[in-house]
Amino acid sequence: QSALTQPPSASGSPGQSVTISCTGTSSDVGGYNYVSWYQQHPGKAPKLLIYEVSKRPSGVPDRFSGSKSGNTASLTVSGLQADDEADYYCSSYSGSNNPYVFGTGTEVTV
Amino acid sequence: EVQLVESGGGLVQPGGSLRLSCAASGFTFSNFWMRWVRQAPGEGLEWVANIKQDGSEKNYVDSVRGRFTISRDNAKNSLYLQMDSLRAEDTALYYCAREGVPRASDYWGQGTLVTVSS
Repeated sequence: QSALTQPPSASGSPGQSVTISCTGTSSDVGGYNYVSWYQQHPGKAPKLLIYEVSKRPSGVPDRFSGSKSGNTASLTVSGLQADDEADYYCSSYSGSNNPYVFGTGTEVTV
Repeated sequence: EVQLVESGGGLVQPGGSLRLSCAASGFTFSNFWMRWVRQAPGEGLEWVANIKQDGSEKNYVDSVRGRFTISRDNAKNSLYLQMDSLRAEDTALYYCAREGVPRASDYWGQGTLVTVSS
């Protein structure tokens, strides 16, 4: 099971938006609506931002939004803030012997 | 408040064994799937294993299947990962996480570091 493909880095100015892509296959991203996104600050545990492609857990600002088209999912961070500077990982259910796969990670710079 | 606290990490020689524990509190542990996720130094996240509420179903990533065993004790609100035949590539920070929403982890511990080296 190969990792999902994310761009290594992305950047934007405060107040702007940034979109991160997450490309998989029809066996994972394209086959299920179980894409999730996590934010990880240096030295910290990951934090869930999005699950089931576009749902936000309580407490996550609506500046974070998720979508999917075919085998590619996307996370958009609007109104960038300094604290959004972190690593972001996507993950997908793949329904196979290895039921979960993470993305390669994207470092966002604000 | 949901809390997950991992322990049991350390330095072990290649071929050795280690047992990780995760103590859960602040929620009804027996109601949730649980998982282990690891992160090698400077690398990304890798899902390792998960276990159903009653322990009747377990899944593993290919690279650890046959060497690692996930288990749980609902009476003790604890999750475990028995790691045998350890390899250098198993060196990582191991996180315990709750699958509190469909197919995703809503709460994570702070991790316990496993180093496999001679």
